[in-house]
Amino acid sequence: GQNIDQPTEMTATEGAIVQINCTYQTSGFNGLFWYQQHAGEAPTFLSYNVLDGLEEKGRFSSFLSRSKGYSYLLLKELQMKDSASYLCAVMDSNYQLIWGAGTKLIIKP
Amino acid sequence: SAVISQKPSRDICQRGTSLTIQCQVDSQVTMMFWYRQQPGQSLTLIATANQGSEATYESGFVIDKFPISRPNLTFSTLTVSNMSPEDSSIYLCSVRPRENIQYFGAGTRLSVL
Repeated sequence: GQNIDQPTEMTATEGAIVQINCTYQTSGFNGLFWYQQHAGEAPTFLSYNVLDGLEEKGRFSSFLSRSKGYSYLLLKELQMKDSASYLCAVMDSNYQLIWGAGTKLIIKP
Repeated sequence: SAVISQKPSRDICQRGTSLTIQCQVDSQVTMMFWYRQQPGQSLTLIATANQGSEATYESGFVIDKFPISRPNLTFSTLTVSNMSPEDSSIYLCSVRPRENIQYFGAGTRLSVL
């Protein structure tokens, strides 16, 4: 079967750095997405990785290792507004998105 | 980017009734999807809305319960039929204008009494 694993919840301190991991087992691979979702709102796109390596976009970076079936989202200089759920999703060989359950990130002052 | 207008944003409905959710996109897109999200959970794909043909439903979802229309490349509707309290959820319209990005509407928060 297809499976996406990410931690259920993480806590971090304002101004710090946090890494949210995602491991996957899917039928084929056509890219990995990270989304941010604030409570009661729709998911918003953060990043897309299809090649191995690190993609940096401001305070957020996303890393992919296809051989290990592994990705992480790195958030730097954490702000209170970063408190949200972070969803990992993999596009399989049929171009279907397989979604993880999401990681709830709690930022403390 | 694609701007998605989804309505209604929320509704409270009686058991046994039906609700139609509309999704309007500001540009033509081939790939359009309908998702459901239970509180505190991740996204579940209901169906892919295909322009000019029947929608493709995922396991556990059927056309009689969730009929979908896609009359053109910028618009789609999802109807939740014969509702029960178990249908209370957030319903999300989503489009994929390119392979490497997918956008979501603001969602419809449905409560069934």
